[in-house]
This record gives sequence, structure tokens and C-alpha cells, in this order.
Amino acid sequence: DGGITQSPKYLFRKEGQNVTLSCEQNLNHDAMYWYRQDPGQGLRLIYYSQIVNDFQKGDIAEGYSVSREKKESFPLTVTSAQKNPTAFYLCASSIDQGWTEAFFGQGTRLTVV
Amino acid sequence: AQSVTQLDSHVSVSEGTPVLLRCNYSSSYSPSLFWYVQHPNKGLQLLLKYTSAATLVKGINGFEAEFKKSETSFHLTKPSAHMSDAAEYFCVVRLSNQGGKLIFGQGTELSVKP
Repeated sequence: DGGITQSPKYLFRKEGQNVTLSCEQNLNHDAMYWYRQDPGQGLRLIYYSQIVNDFQKGDIAEGYSVSREKKESFPLTVTSAQKNPTAFYLCASSIDQGWTEAFFGQGTRLTVV
Repeated sequence: AQSVTQLDSHVSVSEGTPVLLRCNYSSSYSPSLFWYVQHPNKGLQLLLKYTSAATLVKGINGFEAEFKKSETSFHLTKPSAHMSDAAEYFCVVRLSNQGGKLIFGQGTELSVKP
């Protein structure tokens, strides 16, 4: 079945450590996105990529980094510079950057302990 | 600036009664609009989408939405609520002129009482 896979589902990190969240899609989509979700704040865009080897900052990119070395993969690293990393992270992809819908993974809940 | 406003943060209905979740948008360009549903600790599932074809859009699970350009609205409705409809709903605008960025409303939590 085609879709977007995020792993792990739950992740715990100690303060001061970097952690990488995985996002893989087998939909052959060009565009991929990372969102952060906090209670009462909707979803906020962290980074997005329209094509391999290219990505742009979203609205809340500070403390995060990404790479897009392969079309199907768009990992997100939460660095120690991110002041409040505990949140629910959602990855999405779409066939292009136009009018089509985006498809979402099941999310990764990151907790800093 | 483009934005999406969901007018109610929480809506509570009784099972079998109609559902109305309100959404207004602001966009300089002809938008594509979506409604997504999210159950607790899950990803987002597409309910329906508007992409400049028919203004009345039918989606899954009996939901539909009407695009009204004059009112810049895209309200979500369902004639009869079911217990399984209890979830959070997001109205979303897609900006094709900005790399396909999705702008989310703040979400509306729908509760369904037996």
C-alpha cells in the first residue's frame, strides 16, 4: 500500500541531545512538509521541500534541520537549540505544490525528559 | 496575508443532529481549500477538497462543504452526526504561489453526545 510512514511513533529525548525523526513516502510525491502541532495552536510549518536536494524554512524553523537526499525521504532533526521541542510532529507529502491535497503520516510524539 | 479562521474552537452536538463547522479564509489568489479530520494521536485524514470546480463539495462520511467566494467562507456540514464523528477538524488553505504551503486554521473540536 502507498503512503507515508513516520517513525518512531513515540520518542523520548534527554535535554541537550539531538534527535532525528524519520519520514518516508512511496507515493512518488515531489513535495514534502514537516509540521509541528501543539494543543490549541493548530499546525505550524517547520520546513518544506519541493524537490530533491532543495528545501525551504517554514514559519518556525529555528532549532530544526532537514535534508532531502532522496525523493522518498525527508528526515527532520530536532537540535538542542530548539527551546521547547516537546510536541507532536507530522510529516506530509503532495504530488506537487499546486492544487492537490497533501497526505499525512501518523505522527511522532516527541517528549523531552 | 493569507490566513484561515475557524470560528469555533469547540462544537458540541447530539447524535443525529446536524453539524456545522465554520471556516473563513483570506487569500490574495484563488485558493484551494480542504477540510481534514484528526482523531486523537493520529495523522490527518482528508475529508474533502475544493479546487475551483463545483462550489458544493461532497466528501467522505457524509460531510460536505460549500465554497462562497463573496463571503470568503468554506463551512463544513453534515446532516446527522454520528458518535464516530467526534474528532478535531481543520480547515486548510493551500498556497500554490508559495511552494504549496498549507495554512491551517486553529482547529475545531467536535463532541457528539449520545
